[in-house]
Amino acid sequence: ELKVEQNPLFLSMQEGKNYTIYCNYSTTSDRLYWYRQDPGKSLESLFVLLSNGAVKQEGRLMASLDTKARLSTLHITAAVHDLSATYFCAVDRYNNDMRFGAGTRLTVKP
Amino acid sequence: GAVVSQHPSWVICKSGTSVKIECRSLDFQATTMFWYRQFPKQSLMLMATSNEGSKATYEQGVEKDKFLINHASLTLSTLTVTSAHPEDSSFYICSARTVGQGVYEQYFGPGTRLTVT
Repeated sequence: ELKVEQNPLFLSMQEGKNYTIYCNYSTTSDRLYWYRQDPGKSLESLFVLLSNGAVKQEGRLMASLDTKARLSTLHITAAVHDLSATYFCAVDRYNNDMRFGAGTRLTVKP
Repeated sequence: GAVVSQHPSWVICKSGTSVKIECRSLDFQATTMFWYRQFPKQSLMLMATSNEGSKATYEQGVEKDKFLINHASLTLSTLTVTSAHPEDSSFYICSARTVGQGVYEQYFGPGTRLTVT
């Protein structure tokens, strides 16, 4: 069974600081996703990582994938308050459903 | 980009009544649709997977007779919560997957917040 573990579950950061969220998964996968969720809202797609060594960046967020280690990271650079949200990683396989990590609740404090 | 809509966006119903939630793919045909449930401050949990014209496949622990899923067309799936109880109050999110030439994409709806009183 495909399992996805995410850590930390809670993250409180000061503005301007850097931090990394980790996502481990248990079996081979076709894709790894990162989503953002604001309170009361659905998911906003951030990144889709398809292959080993893939790195994608958007603004202050950068995601990477190591398929051999079954690990993805979401790195936050110089955090700002607007990044406060819950971040989920998810993994799926072709013809199968998507499995989500538990989520990381990020709070960026001034 | 591809859009998935859900209706209603929120609903309040009385205990014992049934509620139907619609999920539509607006500009693409969805070979598979997924229904997720999310309790406050928790992750998304898959409830069931449905393919157009086929019976839904439910995850372990999800009652088929309580959560009726119909996927009548390539653009519409419905989730009916029958005899709703307060513990069914949750955020329900659908997702639609499209496949073409071995490449697939999955898109999420905006969610429906159900409150059972």
